[in-house]
Amino acid sequence: NAGVTQTPKFRILKIGQSMTLQCAQDMNHNYMYWYRQDPGMGLKLIYYSVGAGITDKGEVPNGYNVSRSTTEDFPLRLELAAPSQTSVYFCASSYRLADTQYFGPGTRLTVL
Amino acid sequence: GDSVTQMEGPVTLSEEAFLTINCTYTATGYPSLFWYVQYPGEGLQLLLKATKADDKGSNKGFEATYRKETTSFHLEKGSVQVSDSAVYFCALRGVLTGGGNKLTFGTGTQLKVEL
Repeated sequence: NAGVTQTPKFRILKIGQSMTLQCAQDMNHNYMYWYRQDPGMGLKLIYYSVGAGITDKGEVPNGYNVSRSTTEDFPLRLELAAPSQTSVYFCASSYRLADTQYFGPGTRLTVL
Repeated sequence: GDSVTQMEGPVTLSEEAFLTINCTYTATGYPSLFWYVQYPGEGLQLLLKATKADDKGSNKGFEATYRKETTSFHLEKGSVQVSDSAVYFCALRGVLTGGGNKLTFGTGTQLKVEL
Protein backbone atom coordinates (compact mmCIF):
# COMPACT_ATOMS: atom_id res chain seq x y z
CA ASN A 1 0.00 0.00 0.00
CA ALA A 2 1.94 3.02 -1.28
CA GLY A 3 -0.64 5.65 -0.25
CA VAL A 4 -0.46 8.83 -2.32
CA THR A 5 2.41 9.04 -4.81
CA GLN A 6 3.52 12.04 -6.84
CA THR A 7 5.93 12.46 -9.72
CA PRO A 8 8.24 14.14 -10.39
CA LYS A 9 9.81 15.22 -7.09
CA PHE A 10 11.50 18.25 -8.64
CA ARG A 11 11.15 20.10 -11.92
CA ILE A 12 12.47 23.31 -13.45
CA LEU A 13 10.42 24.84 -16.25
CA LYS A 14 11.00 27.78 -18.52
CA ILE A 15 8.33 30.45 -18.84
CA GLY A 16 5.68 29.34 -21.32
CA GLN A 17 6.42 25.63 -21.09
CA SER A 18 3.78 23.10 -20.09
CA MET A 19 3.89 20.06 -17.88
CA THR A 20 1.74 17.55 -16.04
CA LEU A 21 2.19 16.71 -12.39
CA GLN A 22 1.16 13.14 -11.71
CA CYS A 23 -0.72 11.95 -8.64
CA ALA A 24 -1.94 8.46 -7.85
CA GLN A 25 -3.47 6.77 -4.82
CA ASP A 26 -4.05 3.09 -4.13
CA MET A 27 -6.46 3.46 -1.21
CA ASN A 28 -9.64 3.50 -3.31
CA HIS A 29 -10.37 7.03 -2.15
CA ASN A 30 -13.17 8.93 -3.82
CA TYR A 31 -11.92 12.42 -3.08
CA MET A 32 -8.67 13.84 -4.41
CA TYR A 33 -7.17 17.31 -4.07
CA TRP A 34 -4.38 19.47 -5.41
CA TYR A 35 -2.79 22.12 -3.17
CA ARG A 36 0.06 24.53 -3.63
CA GLN A 37 2.33 25.69 -0.84
CA ASP A 38 4.14 28.96 -1.33
CA PRO A 39 7.07 29.94 0.91
CA GLY A 40 5.88 31.13 4.31
CA MET A 41 2.26 30.46 3.41
CA GLY A 42 -0.28 27.81 4.18
CA LEU A 43 -1.58 25.41 1.57
CA LYS A 44 -4.09 26.68 -0.96
CA LEU A 45 -6.56 24.40 -2.75
CA ILE A 46 -6.21 24.46 -6.55
CA TYR A 47 -8.70 21.81 -7.71
CA TYR A 48 -10.48 18.86 -6.22
CA SER A 49 -12.42 15.84 -7.42
CA VAL A 50 -15.23 13.91 -5.75
CA GLY A 51 -14.95 10.91 -8.05
CA ALA A 52 -13.97 9.77 -11.52
CA GLY A 53 -15.19 12.24 -14.11
CA ILE A 54 -16.05 14.97 -11.59
CA THR A 55 -13.76 17.90 -10.81
CA ASP A 56 -14.23 21.39 -9.44
CA LYS A 57 -12.23 24.53 -8.79
CA GLY A 58 -10.69 25.43 -5.47
CA GLU A 59 -9.34 28.78 -4.29
CA VAL A 60 -6.56 29.28 -6.86
CA PRO A 61 -7.42 27.42 -10.11
CA ASN A 62 -6.16 29.94 -12.67
CA GLY A 63 -3.39 28.58 -14.89
CA TYR A 64 -4.16 24.93 -14.11
CA ASN A 65 -6.32 22.13 -15.43
CA VAL A 66 -7.20 18.72 -14.06
CA SER A 67 -8.87 15.54 -15.17
CA ARG A 68 -10.03 12.43 -13.31
CA SER A 69 -10.54 9.53 -15.69
CA THR A 70 -9.96 6.86 -13.03
CA THR A 71 -10.41 6.63 -9.26
CA GLU A 72 -6.67 6.23 -8.79
CA ASP A 73 -5.21 9.10 -10.84
CA PHE A 74 -5.59 12.86 -10.64
CA PRO A 75 -3.07 14.68 -12.84
CA LEU A 76 -2.57 18.45 -12.69
CA ARG A 77 -1.74 20.22 -15.93
CA LEU A 78 0.14 23.52 -16.11
CA GLU A 79 -0.24 25.35 -19.40
CA LEU A 80 2.04 28.28 -20.22
CA ALA A 81 4.04 28.17 -16.99
CA ALA A 82 4.66 31.48 -15.23
CA PRO A 83 7.07 32.43 -12.41
CA SER A 84 4.05 32.88 -10.13
CA GLN A 85 3.52 29.12 -10.35
CA THR A 86 6.82 28.42 -8.62
CA SER A 87 5.68 26.47 -5.59
CA VAL A 88 5.50 23.08 -3.94
CA TYR A 89 2.50 21.11 -5.10
CA PHE A 90 0.79 18.53 -2.91
CA CYS A 91 -1.79 15.97 -3.89
CA ALA A 92 -4.09 14.52 -1.24
CA SER A 93 -6.95 12.07 -1.03
CA SER A 94 -9.72 11.01 1.32
CA TYR A 95 -12.34 8.28 1.24
CA ARG A 96 -15.34 10.33 2.28
CA LEU A 97 -16.03 14.03 2.50
CA ALA A 98 -15.31 14.44 6.21
CA ASP A 99 -12.47 11.92 6.42
CA THR A 100 -8.81 12.62 7.04
CA GLN A 101 -6.87 13.71 3.98
CA TYR A 102 -3.69 11.79 3.15
CA PHE A 103 -0.95 13.75 1.43
CA GLY A 104 1.70 12.81 -1.09
CA PRO A 105 5.36 13.87 -0.68
CA GLY A 106 5.03 16.87 -3.00
CA THR A 107 6.52 18.19 -6.24
CA ARG A 108 8.81 21.18 -6.06
CA LEU A 109 8.37 23.25 -9.22
CA THR A 110 10.49 26.22 -10.25
CA VAL A 111 9.57 28.38 -13.25
CA LEU A 112 12.39 30.55 -14.58
CA GLY B 1 -14.25 33.59 5.35
CA ASP B 2 -12.45 31.02 7.43
CA SER B 3 -8.90 31.74 8.52
CA VAL B 4 -6.19 30.26 10.74
CA THR B 5 -3.44 32.20 12.47
CA GLN B 6 -0.48 30.46 14.03
CA MET B 7 2.70 31.71 15.61
CA GLU B 8 5.61 32.43 13.39
CA GLY B 9 8.75 30.39 13.55
CA PRO B 10 11.25 29.12 13.63
CA VAL B 11 10.91 27.90 17.18
CA THR B 12 14.17 26.52 18.52
CA LEU B 13 14.15 24.37 21.67
CA SER B 14 16.51 22.13 23.52
CA GLU B 15 15.67 18.46 23.79
CA GLU B 16 13.23 17.71 26.63
CA ALA B 17 11.90 21.27 26.67
CA PHE B 18 8.19 22.05 26.76
CA LEU B 19 6.58 23.01 23.47
CA THR B 20 3.64 25.28 22.77
CA ILE B 21 2.66 26.38 19.28
CA ASN B 22 -0.25 28.79 19.30
CA CYS B 23 -3.13 28.56 16.85
CA THR B 24 -6.28 30.65 16.69
CA TYR B 25 -9.02 30.54 14.12
CA THR B 26 -11.93 32.44 12.65
CA ALA B 27 -14.86 30.43 11.36
CA THR B 28 -18.62 30.21 11.52
CA GLY B 29 -20.12 27.67 13.89
CA TYR B 30 -18.10 24.71 15.08
CA PRO B 31 -15.37 23.77 12.62
CA SER B 32 -13.21 20.67 12.91
CA LEU B 33 -9.62 21.47 13.87
CA PHE B 34 -6.40 19.71 12.90
CA TRP B 35 -2.67 19.73 13.40
CA TYR B 36 -0.59 18.41 10.51
CA VAL B 37 3.16 17.79 10.63
CA GLN B 38 5.57 17.95 7.71
CA TYR B 39 8.94 16.27 8.21
CA PRO B 40 11.80 17.37 5.95
CA GLY B 41 11.31 16.18 2.39
CA GLU B 42 7.93 14.60 3.10
CA GLY B 43 4.26 15.42 2.67
CA LEU B 44 1.91 16.49 5.42
CA GLN B 45 0.73 13.91 7.93
CA LEU B 46 -2.22 14.27 10.24
CA LEU B 47 -0.91 14.58 13.80
CA LEU B 48 -4.16 15.03 15.72
CA LYS B 49 -7.64 16.43 15.40
CA ALA B 50 -10.68 17.56 17.38
CA THR B 51 -14.18 17.84 16.03
CA LYS B 52 -16.11 19.59 18.79
CA ALA B 53 -15.61 22.09 21.58
CA ASP B 54 -13.57 20.87 24.59
CA ASP B 55 -12.35 17.82 22.70
CA LYS B 56 -8.69 17.02 23.21
CA GLY B 57 -6.74 15.50 20.34
CA SER B 58 -3.57 13.62 21.19
CA ASN B 59 -0.92 11.59 19.41
CA LYS B 60 2.79 10.82 19.90
CA GLY B 61 2.89 12.88 23.10
CA PHE B 62 1.35 15.94 21.42
CA GLU B 63 -1.93 17.37 22.64
CA ALA B 64 -4.31 20.14 21.62
CA THR B 65 -7.65 21.17 23.13
CA TYR B 66 -10.47 22.72 21.11
CA ARG B 67 -11.33 25.94 22.97
CA LYS B 68 -14.44 27.54 21.52
CA GLU B 69 -14.44 30.45 23.95
CA THR B 70 -10.97 31.57 22.85
CA THR B 71 -11.20 30.13 19.30
CA SER B 72 -7.89 28.39 19.87
CA PHE B 73 -6.27 25.00 19.32
CA HIS B 74 -2.77 25.31 20.74
CA LEU B 75 -0.35 22.42 20.23
CA GLU B 76 1.64 21.24 23.26
CA LYS B 77 4.18 18.59 24.10
CA GLY B 78 5.78 18.09 27.47
CA SER B 79 9.23 16.97 26.33
CA VAL B 80 10.35 17.41 22.73
CA GLN B 81 12.89 15.26 20.95
CA VAL B 82 15.24 15.98 18.07
CA SER B 83 13.00 13.76 15.93
CA ASP B 84 10.13 16.25 16.44
CA SER B 85 11.93 18.79 14.27
CA ALA B 86 9.46 19.55 11.50
CA VAL B 87 6.96 22.14 10.28
CA TYR B 88 3.61 22.10 12.06
CA PHE B 89 0.42 23.31 10.39
CA CYS B 90 -2.81 24.18 12.11
CA ALA B 91 -5.89 23.74 9.90
CA LEU B 92 -9.66 23.80 10.05
CA ARG B 93 -12.50 22.37 8.06
CA GLY B 94 -15.43 24.74 8.19
CA VAL B 95 -19.05 23.89 8.80
CA LEU B 96 -20.18 25.55 5.58
CA THR B 97 -17.44 24.05 3.46
CA GLY B 98 -18.08 24.70 -0.20
CA GLY B 99 -15.16 23.11 -1.96
CA GLY B 100 -15.41 19.44 -1.21
CA ASN B 101 -13.54 18.75 1.98
CA LYS B 102 -11.63 22.02 1.86
CA LEU B 103 -9.12 22.60 4.62
CA THR B 104 -7.95 26.10 5.55
CA PHE B 105 -4.32 26.05 6.68
CA GLY B 106 -2.20 28.35 8.78
CA THR B 107 1.21 29.39 7.48
CA GLY B 108 3.08 26.72 9.39
CA THR B 109 5.54 26.89 12.28
CA GLN B 110 8.98 25.40 11.92
CA LEU B 111 10.27 23.63 15.03
CA LYS B 112 13.95 22.91 15.51
CA VAL B 113 15.00 20.77 18.45
CA GLU B 114 18.65 20.73 19.40
CA LEU B 115 20.62 18.41 21.67
